[in-house]
Amino acid sequence: NAGVTQTPKFQVLKTGQSMTLQCAQDMNHNSMYWYRQDPGMGLRLIYYSASEGTTDKGEVPNGYNVSRLNKREFSLRLESAAPSQTSVYFCASSGGTVMSTDTQYFGPGTRLTVL
Amino acid sequence: AQRVTQPEKLLSVFKGAPVELKCNYSYSGSPELFWYVQYSRQRLQLLLRHISRESIKGFTADLNKGETSFHLKKPFAQEEDSAMYYCALRQGAQKLVFGQGTRLTINP
Repeated sequence: NAGVTQTPKFQVLKTGQSMTLQCAQDMNHNSMYWYRQDPGMGLRLIYYSASEGTTDKGEVPNGYNVSRLNKREFSLRLESAAPSQTSVYFCASSGGTVMSTDTQYFGPGTRLTVL
Repeated sequence: AQRVTQPEKLLSVFKGAPVELKCNYSYSGSPELFWYVQYSRQRLQLLLRHISRESIKGFTADLNKGETSFHLKKPFAQEEDSAMYYCALRQGAQKLVFGQGTRLTINP
């Protein structure tokens, strides 16, 4: 099992460009998440999806959109990239039953630079 | 508001010395707390959770509700413990709130 995979690993964008970060998991998990990691800020939740067909905002959703394409895939889109979105983006998944204590499994991350 | 605070961004100790990474939280209900670790060039992964009351790689963490703390401790640090450590608090059904992280360096 590959676990959680993310593409691309690195990306450089110009301000105003758009792009989609892809995430897939092969663990049959219900819940998937997108985080951004910034120095001194820790990991902050952007969006999450508790189950296929549902998405909800996290702590820092502005400037992002998400799509839960199916149970395996959860994509993050930047419609008009800004330098403030320069960060490392992590996707994660968990078994996701309500009130469970399932572990979140993380992908390797995407390092995004917006010039 | 639910918050997790890790007051030390950087922590450096010598091999064989005790190590303690601090974590304080604010939460009105019954908290569920975790420690996640990210070793160099590896993925973020769960280290331990308070509900299991387990010791992983020699690390333990005790939930102190009176002090609202969940400090991570190890009596004798090893070089392979060098990593980024995140304390996390469960928020709602499945969300986690992470602290700012502490980068631990073990000096030989």
